[in-house]
Amino acid sequence: EAQVTQNPRYLITVTGKKLTVTCSQNMNHEYMSWYRQDPGLGLRQIYYSMNVEVTDKGDVPEGYKVSRKEKRNFPLILESPSPNQTSLYFCASRLRDRVDYGYTFGSGTRLTVV
Amino acid sequence: DQQVKQNSPSLSVQEGRISILNCDYTNSMFDYFLWYKKYPAEGPTFLISISSIKDKNEDGRFTVFLNKSAKHLSLHIVPSQPGDSAVYFCAASLSGNTGKLIFGQGTTLQVKP
Repeated sequence: EAQVTQNPRYLITVTGKKLTVTCSQNMNHEYMSWYRQDPGLGLRQIYYSMNVEVTDKGDVPEGYKVSRKEKRNFPLILESPSPNQTSLYFCASRLRDRVDYGYTFGSGTRLTVV
Repeated sequence: DQQVKQNSPSLSVQEGRISILNCDYTNSMFDYFLWYKKYPAEGPTFLISISSIKDKNEDGRFTVFLNKSAKHLSLHIVPSQPGDSAVYFCAASLSGNTGKLIFGQGTTLQVKP
């Protein structure tokens, strides 16, 4: 089944403890992206990647890192999580030449930082 | 600076009637506009899109209208069904195929049987 897989689905952590949320897609998509969803703010783009080793900042990149060493994987790294990073996170991917189809999204990771 | 805005947080319609969801944008450099639907505990799913060079695109019960002079787009669902109850997000893609996709705040649609 064609999909974007994120892990874990739920995570509770403490302030300052480094964590990684993994994302993998099996559709051979060139573009990948991370979003966070917060009440009243919709979905805000954190980082996106157009290909292996090519990444760029979205609208809210502060406090996050990403890497794209392989085409299928795009992990999101929080080096020192803070409570304001408590949110619902989505990974997404799409074909380079199909901007009209938009991104395919994963099921989400709910992160709580205490 | 919110470049894509959905000013109605919620909308309630009767089954069988038309649902109209609205979206405004500020950046003239958007080349595609998309609508996504989101159910609780799931990721957003793509619904329909429109190129900035068109003013209408239709797919079954869903039609998107684009008014470039007003920087406004709308999604029409006819007829509305209870299964359409979800959060709808409008999104806009910056020209140049950069991968940047900007979303609005979302509108929660409730379709009553």
